[in-house]
Amino acid sequence: AQSVTQLDSQVPVFEEAPVELRCNYSSSVSVYLFWYVQYPNQGLQLLLKYLSGSTLVKGINGFEAEFNKSQTSFHLRKPSVHISDTAEYFCAVSDLTGGSYIPTFGRGTSLIVHP
Amino acid sequence: DADVTQTPRNRITKTGKRIMLECSQTKGHDRMYWYRQDPGLGLRLIYYSFDVKDINKGEISDGYSVSRQAQAKFSLSLESAIPNQTALYFCATSKTGVASGANVLTFGAGSRLTVL
Repeated sequence: AQSVTQLDSQVPVFEEAPVELRCNYSSSVSVYLFWYVQYPNQGLQLLLKYLSGSTLVKGINGFEAEFNKSQTSFHLRKPSVHISDTAEYFCAVSDLTGGSYIPTFGRGTSLIVHP
Repeated sequence: DADVTQTPRNRITKTGKRIMLECSQTKGHDRMYWYRQDPGLGLRLIYYSFDVKDINKGEISDGYSVSRQAQAKFSLSLESAIPNQTALYFCATSKTGVASGANVLTFGAGSRLTVL
């Protein structure tokens, strides 16, 4: 079964600083990769996704992520964060073997942006 | 109106009571899911359904049951609630296929359940 590891449970950062949220998954031949964001008291919404093609994926709100197959990683980055980026971020991986494409979620990383 | 609507949004109940959480969607998606969110544990899959006649257990189905009443409706039941089922529950939908929009989950706003 697929497993997803988000290495940091909490990442504090100052406004306008760069940030990287790390995500690693267990090895698989083919995967779809996602980052979702959950703002306080809301459901999750898609930030960006990798299905195929370019390994650098751009999402909403200035976020981007890079798929690294050899390191089985999909780290999320933003060059300059804003207070409004404070939220919980979830990495998710869909294993394409078996055909069900059911996503497995990591435990989440709480991004806290300080003024 | 929201694409995925969950009711109730908040519920407090007592141990042993039967509880139903309902989910309806206007996305036209064929796949529906129930997840549970606990602090520090992320989202864990309870049940999922690929169409009206298809129900599958997820990672943590014990103590839960589901019903897919129609393509747009998927309800989660706790037959006899216990305190460790206190959590935030999310319904999600997706469409089948390999196109760009397939396999992306659309989430409801969540149902917060407290079992005393």
